[in-house]
Amino acid sequence: ETGVTQTPRHLVMGMTNKKSLKCEQHLGHNAMYWYKQSAKKPLELMFVYSLEERVENNSVPSRFSPECPNSSHLFLHLHTLQPEDSALYLCASSQDSVSYEQYFGPGTRLTVT
Amino acid sequence: KQEVTQIPAALSVPEGENLVLNCSFTDSAIYNLQWFRQDPGKGLTSLLLIQSSQREQTSGRLNASLDKSSGRSTLYIAASQPGDSATYLCAVEGETSGSRLTFGEGTQLTVNP
Repeated sequence: ETGVTQTPRHLVMGMTNKKSLKCEQHLGHNAMYWYKQSAKKPLELMFVYSLEERVENNSVPSRFSPECPNSSHLFLHLHTLQPEDSALYLCASSQDSVSYEQYFGPGTRLTVT
Repeated sequence: KQEVTQIPAALSVPEGENLVLNCSFTDSAIYNLQWFRQDPGKGLTSLLLIQSSQREQTSGRLNASLDKSSGRSTLYIAASQPGDSATYLCAVEGETSGSRLTFGEGTQLTVNP
């Protein structure tokens, strides 16, 4: 069991729905990340937060909206998604945002219908 | 732009065999290289982190080496077991990419009893 938890583990949503993914880290880390893993593609970094400030937005469409209320929690708010957004969404954390080992959560398997 | 390539894409070996997974990257200006394991539909488990100043790291039956100048890393697994079956991912953190990890597509390993 890792120190990074994600809920829900599975989510099916329609294109007009609004949902949120939640990530919580129990490691005392200062940086948190959202990644997207699509079938047969490498993991893609979406967002990076360091000390609750967004430090990187990797050209992600605005239908994905991250929120980091404190250094232990990270959310990804979803609205009007497309079927191609179906993927495994992984959260990670690290001690700091540069040159530290990243620890991953189990992921949320998202299906957009 | 950093590119990470992993060879082979898939590998099937009998139990007990020693094996080597390969990772190459195009930009040698890196902070570190990290090897991960991913079980089907699950998150990533960090196996080994090699800082750019290091040549290798060992953990149990795993040994990872790094040749930064040539842009190569290998993950050596000794005395493989069926429980080692998973996808192994290599990722590098570039000096110019901030906190971004660039991932390879992975090597899918099957160890047959």
